[in-house]
Amino acid sequence: GEDVEQSLFLSVREGDSSVINCTYTDSSSTYLYWYKQEPGAGLQLLTYIFSNMDMKQDQRLTVLLNKKDKHLSLRIADTQTGDSAIYFCAVLKTSYDKVIFGPGTSLSVIP
Amino acid sequence: NAGVTQTPKFRILKIGQSMTLQCTQDMNHNYMYWYRQDPGMGLKLIYYSVGAGITDKGEVPNGYNVSRSTTEDFPLRLELAAPSQTSVYFCASSYSSTGDAGDTEAFFGQGTRLTVV
Repeated sequence: GEDVEQSLFLSVREGDSSVINCTYTDSSSTYLYWYKQEPGAGLQLLTYIFSNMDMKQDQRLTVLLNKKDKHLSLRIADTQTGDSAIYFCAVLKTSYDKVIFGPGTSLSVIP
Repeated sequence: NAGVTQTPKFRILKIGQSMTLQCTQDMNHNYMYWYRQDPGMGLKLIYYSVGAGITDKGEVPNGYNVSRSTTEDFPLRLELAAPSQTSVYFCASSYSSTGDAGDTEAFFGQGTRLTVV
């Protein structure tokens, strides 16, 4: 099965908060990332969290990590139409030295 | 710095044809990766390299080959194109896979959209 899972679609109204969820299976993951892919472009790193943290805030973005449940979430406050994109959760599996990406969540923001 | 550059941006191949997708980075990164992206499937790792002269298979290597003769370049070769290889291909690089999170950030190219007919 997949090592990193995400729901594929999320739709929110402009101004609301968006919460994108991710679950992973490898408890030895050290870094967990959120990447953003805008239409027709490559992925860009949005933010990351180290496995010994449970929360990280960066302006409108809040990352929450529940290590016990192996659950990562990305909250976007005051979601704007420019936030419409695909958001990828990714984890660094140090035992394999590779970053593993989830399937991506397509966020649609309704004006 | 140009970052990660992929060429071509688009290509249509006939079944059985061969081609090479080019990828070059100017950040002196050790790690380079090739992914394919299919709708609803996320990114699947095809091959990766931890340094010049070293390559390893990822999750979906069949039908592809790579080489890494220099730190900068990591071309992906399709020898006998098949319709199942229709996809968007991304090359990425990172400085390291350990150490500070900033060193592990992957930088992506703009992608190559390949259609095999």
